[in-house]
Amino acid sequence: DGGITQSPKYLFRKEGQNVTLSCEQNLNHDAMYWYRQDPGQGLRLIYYSQIVNDFQKGDIAEGYSVSREKKESFPLTVTSAQKNPTAFYLCASRPGPGDTEAFFGQGTRLTVV
Amino acid sequence: QKEVEQNSGPLSVPEGAIASLNCTYSDRGSQSFFWYRQYSGKSPELIMSIYSNGDKEDGRFTAQLNKASQYVSLLIRDSQPSDSATYLCAAYSGGYQKVTFGTGTKLQVIP
Repeated sequence: DGGITQSPKYLFRKEGQNVTLSCEQNLNHDAMYWYRQDPGQGLRLIYYSQIVNDFQKGDIAEGYSVSREKKESFPLTVTSAQKNPTAFYLCASRPGPGDTEAFFGQGTRLTVV
Repeated sequence: QKEVEQNSGPLSVPEGAIASLNCTYSDRGSQSFFWYRQYSGKSPELIMSIYSNGDKEDGRFTAQLNKASQYVSLLIRDSQPSDSATYLCAAYSGGYQKVTFGTGTKLQVIP
């Protein structure tokens, strides 16, 4: 089955630690996105990538880093510089340029303990 | 000014009524628009997409776009309790293929 897989579903991190969230897609999509969602809030764009080895900062990139070494993978690292990382993280992908919607993974809920 | 704006709600409507959800956007370069439904703790799912001015209907849902006014809306006819969710408006801009979401409107359909 084609889709987007995020792992893990739940993640706990100690303060001061870096943690990496996985996002893999087998839809052969060129564009991939990371969003953060806080309780009662919409989706805020962290990073996005339209092609392998290229990515752009979104609206809230500080304290996060990404890589796009393979078309199907777009991991997000939450660094210790992110002061309030507890949130629901959503990965999405789109086929590429044009009027097509984004498809979402099931999300990773990150909690700092 | 946020790029995509929505009233956070909650918007409460009785069962069977029409729910009207609104969205405005600031980037005139936005070329396509999407409405997603999100249940609590779940990922968003696409309800409607619209690319050109006018109305687009799909079952109980109608999306409306007015690019001159930078305004997008979603009408839900014969609202059902199962429609109770948060509705997210999104705008797609070409170039780097940025997709920006609004803060969402929480809809409550009262039985």
